[in-house]
Amino acid sequence: SQELEQSPQSLIVQEGKNLTINCTSSKTLYGLYWYKQKYGEGLIFLMMLQKGGEEKSHEKITAKLDEKKQQSSLHITASQPSHAGIYLCGAGSSYNTDKLIFGTGTRLQVFP
Amino acid sequence: DTAVSQTPKYLVTQMGNDKSIKCEQNLGHDTMYWYKQDSKKFLKIMFSYNNKELIINETVPNRFSPKSPDKAHLNLHINSLELGDSAVYFCASSQDGGTANYGYTFGSGTRLTVV
Repeated sequence: SQELEQSPQSLIVQEGKNLTINCTSSKTLYGLYWYKQKYGEGLIFLMMLQKGGEEKSHEKITAKLDEKKQQSSLHITASQPSHAGIYLCGAGSSYNTDKLIFGTGTRLQVFP
Repeated sequence: DTAVSQTPKYLVTQMGNDKSIKCEQNLGHDTMYWYKQDSKKFLKIMFSYNNKELIINETVPNRFSPKSPDKAHLNLHINSLELGDSAVYFCASSQDGGTANYGYTFGSGTRLTVV
């Protein structure tokens, strides 16, 4: 079965610093999603990547999917306390599956 | 208006009890899901329903029984609750067509604590 590994598991950064979270699979990813979760809340959709080499940005967050579609990175520029939370990557194991598999999660803390 | 709503948000109950969690989506999506997030924040699929029909059942104990009265609702009933059932349960929905094209919309979660 496909597994998604995220690294690092936990990240503590000072406000204003840049950071990168990685999501890696041993198999091709179909529809790579990044979600953010704050404590006690649901998952908030950030971005979706489909094509190899694709890159998307929203405000200070940029997500990339590599050419082989087996690895994605999420980069946050000039981090702020509002970026704190758990970041989860999710992907389908095949093109037309309804089942989204999630990574192990990365807990981000941003201190002033 | 909340797109995917779950009730209750918090649930504390004793071992052995039976409880239900309700989920409703007003997005017109065809597929609904239940995910379980354990204490390590690992999110794992439990069930999915497409137009009231069970599609995915991921090796979940028989004590867990999903029920979908219509495509906008997917409830989760749990019998004989055990300590290990304590987790956050998320409901989600997606448009028919697979996750390669459409993402999920998640509810805010139900934190279940079994004591």
